[in-house]
Amino acid sequence: DAGITQSPRYKITETGRQVTLMCHQTWSHSYMFWYRQDLGHGLRLIYYSAAADITDKGEVPDGYVVSRSKTENFPLTLESATRSQTSVYFCASSELDRGEQFFGPGTRLTVL
Amino acid sequence: GENVEQHPSTLSVQEGDSAVIKCTYSDSASNYFPWYKQELGKRPQLIIDIRSNVGEKKDQRIAVTLNKTAKHFSLHITETQPEDSAVYFCAAFTGGGNKLTFGTGTQLKVEL
Repeated sequence: DAGITQSPRYKITETGRQVTLMCHQTWSHSYMFWYRQDLGHGLRLIYYSAAADITDKGEVPDGYVVSRSKTENFPLTLESATRSQTSVYFCASSELDRGEQFFGPGTRLTVL
Repeated sequence: GENVEQHPSTLSVQEGDSAVIKCTYSDSASNYFPWYKQELGKRPQLIIDIRSNVGEKKDQRIAVTLNKTAKHFSLHITETQPEDSAVYFCAAFTGGGNKLTFGTGTQLKVEL
């Protein structure tokens, strides 16, 4: 589990501010994912990436931007944070054609 | 796309009893079904999984069964212990985008 890390672990910000959540993995997994977890909704996919410079939308992409210039990093940016984006965000990674996903420790984001 | 339904949303059992959580999926192309356990404030962790060419898999006190015809799979926990208390998520994998589709989770409480 130490192979995938997230930072910061906790973040409080204000409405309208830009926030970037970082994700780093050391396994050289091809795929990386961003989820948000809210009570009653389980894990919802925001964006995912199949490789460096290849990203695609998930179930709830609005208000988020991602990039993947290097295989090991997959930052998630909230360009103008809203209160509805208050959530716990999990990054995950997996190998190609392997279903197992390994999760980072999560970032608890509060938007005031 | 794939849709995964999970029941029940909450489950309370006495220590030593068995617990069963059920999931159904919609896409017959799904071929991998993992189960994740998430303790309070922690990341989801893979506890057991099953592939479509297998009907049942056991690992000590936990087991998973798969019925491809009916498109449902279940998690069975025997001799439950207080440390089994957590939220359990099922998921289904079809391969497209290497994505998992998650159920909405079951809060299991094991009472002394």
